[in-house]
Amino acid sequence: NAGVMQNPRHLVRRRGQEARLRCSPMKGHSHVYWYRQLPEEGLKFMVYLQKENIIDESGMPKERFSAEFPKEGPSILRIQQVVRGDSAAYFCASSPGTDPNYGYTFGSGTRLTVV
Amino acid sequence: GNSVTQMEGPVTLSEEAFLTINCTYTATGYPSLFWYVQYPGEGLQLLLKATKADDKGSNKGFEATYRKETTSFHLEKGSVQVSDSAVYFCALKETSGSRLTFGEGTQLTVNP
Repeated sequence: NAGVMQNPRHLVRRRGQEARLRCSPMKGHSHVYWYRQLPEEGLKFMVYLQKENIIDESGMPKERFSAEFPKEGPSILRIQQVVRGDSAAYFCASSPGTDPNYGYTFGSGTRLTVV
Repeated sequence: GNSVTQMEGPVTLSEEAFLTINCTYTATGYPSLFWYVQYPGEGLQLLLKATKADDKGSNKGFEATYRKETTSFHLEKGSVQVSDSAVYFCALKETSGSRLTFGEGTQLTVNP
């Protein structure tokens, strides 16, 4: 039973380019969460999605960032016109529901570097 | 809003020393509490959890007790190993919510 799969592991983009980060949740998990970890900082919540729905995007920057979780395929976090301040590790987590007893399973992250 | 405060790091210990990493929280209601561990270059792994007051979570020799009266969930281990070197994150989840709120993390280094 594969865990949460994120790709790519490392992504380098020039300023102004687009970054697309993918996350495939664990089998049977329909809830996906994206977190950002800036250097030397903790994880900050970005967005919570269920299949085809954004449930909570209160942690997403208002511009350039978007997320989706289509009926088929992985969840995508998209950053348009990247800037140096977007350099961070982006982690995806999944769960089968919101009951705290489920816990969250995290992927290994995508480390984005903007040059 | 919710918040989690961890003791500042980094923490450096010798092998077999006793470990305490303090964690306090602010939340409405009765959150569930978690400790996650992050090894270099990897994602977060759930270490232990407690879902109600006075519960004790334990795993791999680590323990933490949910103290509602002091709003704390301190992580302890009686004898650390070099392999415990990692970053440890305390987190909470509201009963009615879905997101995890993390502390800033505490870097632990254990020397042989």
